Amino acid sequence: EAQVTQNPRYLITVTGKKLTVTCSQNMNHEYMSWYRQDPGLGLRQIYYSMNVEVTDKGDVPEGYKVSRKEKRNFPLILESPSPNQTSLYFCASSWSDPSTDTQYFGPGTRLTVL
Amino acid sequence: AQSVSQHNHHVILSEAASLELGCNYSYGGTVNLFWYVQYPGQHLQLLLKYFSGDPLVKGIKGFEAEFIKSKFSFNLRKPSVQWSDTAEYFCAVNARGGSYIPTFGRGTSLIVHP
Repeated sequence: EAQVTQNPRYLITVTGKKLTVTCSQNMNHEYMSWYRQDPGLGLRQIYYSMNVEVTDKGDVPEGYKVSRKEKRNFPLILESPSPNQTSLYFCASSWSDPSTDTQYFGPGTRLTVL
Repeated sequence: AQSVSQHNHHVILSEAASLELGCNYSYGGTVNLFWYVQYPGQHLQLLLKYFSGDPLVKGIKGFEAEFIKSKFSFNLRKPSVQWSDTAEYFCAVNARGGSYIPTFGRGTSLIVHP
């Protein structure tokens, strides 16, 4: 089944403890991206990747890192999480440029930073 | 940079009522437009998209949207809603030649009472 998977789905952590949220797609998509969803703010772009080893910042990249060493995986790294990073995170992928192509979203990761 | 405004944050309807959700964007150039839907407990998925051509776009599940360039709007409509349409709806816009990743509105929560 074609899908985007994220792990973990739920995570509670403490300030400063490094964490990684994994994202994997099995559709051989070129483009992948990360969003965070906050009440009243909709989805905001964190980072995106156009291909292996090619990444760029979105609208709210501060406090986040990403890597794209393999086409299928696009992990989101929080080196030193803070409470303002408590949010619902979505990974998405698309075959080609998401400005025109349909994005396929993962199920979301709900992160709480205490 | 483009921005997206969804005016209706919460909409409550009875089954068989007609639906119109507003979406306005601010960008003077050519745009690509999307509506995504997030059903309770499910991934975001594409409802419909518009790039060019007929400004009246038909999507899945009986939804349609009309692009009115002079009003910078892309409102979503459905003549008769069902209980199963209860979901969160997101409008997204991408400025041609700009960032790869669409900008999302804050979302509209729709509740349909049976």
